[in-house]
Amino acid sequence: EIVLTQSPGTLSLSPGQRATLSCRASQSVNSAYLAWYQQRPGQAPRLLIYGASTRATGIPDRFSGSGYGTDFTLTISRLEPEDYAVYYCQQYGSSPRVTFGQGTKVEIK
Amino acid sequence: QVQLQQWGAGLLRPSETLSLTCNVSGVSFSGFYWSWIRQPPGKGLEWIGDINHSGNTNYNSSLKSRVTISADTSKNEFSLKVRSVTAADTAVYYCAKGPGWEFDHWGPGNLVTVSS
Repeated sequence: EIVLTQSPGTLSLSPGQRATLSCRASQSVNSAYLAWYQQRPGQAPRLLIYGASTRATGIPDRFSGSGYGTDFTLTISRLEPEDYAVYYCQQYGSSPRVTFGQGTKVEIK
Repeated sequence: QVQLQQWGAGLLRPSETLSLTCNVSGVSFSGFYWSWIRQPPGKGLEWIGDINHSGNTNYNSSLKSRVTISADTSKNEFSLKVRSVTAADTAVYYCAKGPGWEFDHWGPGNLVTVSS
């Protein structure tokens, strides 16, 4: 079973700062199968990035994804007020078919 | 546009069966997998399982013995049943389109509370 570990658990940053979120897999993950989601309080998750680096429809270009193998990164270049949320990485595999990381909360400093 | 609308009972007693349904509009039901994902209060996301238009299913092994996902393609709907629920099944339950390899559309979620 592939386990995804996200770090840090909480990231405290001011608006306009750069956010760097990490997702580390216990085994190598096909980059095509790695996605990132944003979840605001009381809302369903929203797909941000798929295929490790491709922005989903309507996602601003301040969001970018990178990485391969076991180490993946989500970067928010300049935090906007609406970016304060919890972020999850997710991988598609064989058993189990889908796993999520435990999440990173980006909060206002 | 793609929309997922979901409904079902929100309060259950221990040992009862959880039942939720999700209706899909704005996209063909065929050609995709459709999933159920849950999130306990204050916690992370857990994939429960999925189904395609042919009725092929995949389940998370942690829940497989208690879960059934079914589909009614004539209504563009798919459903979740979880038997013998306990307080540990209290969560917001989401239906979602996917995995293609990811989930690109989600329902709004249903809070299901298990309490005696």
